[in-house]
Amino acid sequence: EVQLVESGGGLVKPGGSLKLSCAASGFTFSSYAMSWVRQTPEKRLEWVATISSGGSYTYYPDSVKGRFTISRDNAKNTLYLQMSSLRSEDTAMYYCARQNGHFDVWGAGTTVTVSS
Amino acid sequence: DIVMTQSPSSLSVSAGEKVTMSCKSSQSLLNSGNQKNYLAWYQQKPGQPPKLLIYGASTRESGVPDRFTGSGSGTDFTLTISSVQAEDLAVYYCQNDHSYPFTFGSGTKLEIK
Repeated sequence: EVQLVESGGGLVKPGGSLKLSCAASGFTFSSYAMSWVRQTPEKRLEWVATISSGGSYTYYPDSVKGRFTISRDNAKNTLYLQMSSLRSEDTAMYYCARQNGHFDVWGAGTTVTVSS
Repeated sequence: DIVMTQSPSSLSVSAGEKVTMSCKSSQSLLNSGNQKNYLAWYQQKPGQPPKLLIYGASTRESGVPDRFTGSGSGTDFTLTISSVQAEDLAVYYCQNDHSYPFTFGSGTKLEIK
């Protein structure tokens, strides 16, 4: 069964850092680009980051560029998102998603709350 | 950035009725090289992550019932549910799959009377 399981979310103060992980199983992880997508409390979906299958290329929207870093370990079938300089507007459910052009597999998500 | 605009924001229908919802993009999602539209539709049921329904504007993802149909090209797209079932209660999102930054519409919430 194709599965993505996120972890690492929690409560963090503004300006703080957090690292999310996503464990993949049931497919050849190293063959796919992977992404993080977040959903705000207002239910708006926002693409956060993408990494190529081999890890050489990364893409970010301006809203997180310079603050978030996506990475992967293909030997461990795991995707990461390092988040720093966190702001209240980063509060969201963070989903890991397999990117096959579109996002064809999603995890259940992990919640990040940025608050003092 | 490509802005995705969905309408209506919500609709309420009875089971068995036909439903259509719209998604408009601020720029064309048609790749002139391969003539494919890079538009995806997702269904999000309460308490669940989004689920891919349609990609390439009209290709149904494996396992998606054939009552779901995607259509349109360029900047105007439609998702049609031919005969709504109770389990279709969800929010439906469209997504620019054409170019970075990927962007989503604000969603259409489908309620069942």
